[in-house]
Amino acid sequence: QLVLTQSPSASASLGASVKLTCTLSSGHRNYAIAWHHQQPEKGPRYLMTLNSDGSHSKGDGIPDRFSGSSSGAERYLTISSLQSEDEADYYCQTWGPHVVFGGGTKLTVL
Amino acid sequence: EVQLLESGGGLVQPGGSLRLSCAASGFTFFNYAMSWVRQAPGKGLEWVSTMSGSGGGTYYADSVRGRFTISRDDSKNTLYLQLSSLRAEDTAAFYCARVRAAVGVDAFDIWGQGTMVTVSS
Repeated sequence: QLVLTQSPSASASLGASVKLTCTLSSGHRNYAIAWHHQQPEKGPRYLMTLNSDGSHSKGDGIPDRFSGSSSGAERYLTISSLQSEDEADYYCQTWGPHVVFGGGTKLTVL
Repeated sequence: EVQLLESGGGLVQPGGSLRLSCAASGFTFFNYAMSWVRQAPGKGLEWVSTMSGSGGGTYYADSVRGRFTISRDDSKNTLYLQLSSLRAEDTAAFYCARVRAAVGVDAFDIWGQGTMVTVSS
């Protein structure tokens, strides 16, 4: 069964970097994923699509501070130079044949 | 500007029905599959349904199959979701999302702002 696992919470200081993890279930390590974030009281926003080889394509207007990487079944989102507006819920998404979301990681910027 | 604008949410009694709409602008609507995603209060995102472009295939989550119906009118650049036999656990914000492909499922690359559905007596 296709499942995405995310840590419920993460925190980092203003100006620092943070690396969020999304783990694909066994047998699905070659799947691509997408990263989205959702600021408080807003709709989600697409950040990027991330392939198993680490290549990624970002959505329009997404700053260079956001980058993605992959290792085995792990998919990572790294945010550098953290800003207050990065405080949000971060979701990973995959597909095949149906769509699956991870449970989300709540990022707190200290 | 690429935009999705949902409407049609509201308060409905258990067992009732509601139709949500999603008006698209800024892109060639019929070239894209479109989806609905919901989010219960305080919870994460849950995929609901997807419809391929140009009247292609439809896909549903097990939790809504047989109760919800997705459709689209490409002449009006509008996506719909008919909700019926509603239950309290269907209470959620419903988001419309563009799929990064014409057929089937893929990443969601554009999201709407959502419309709230509350099922309560």
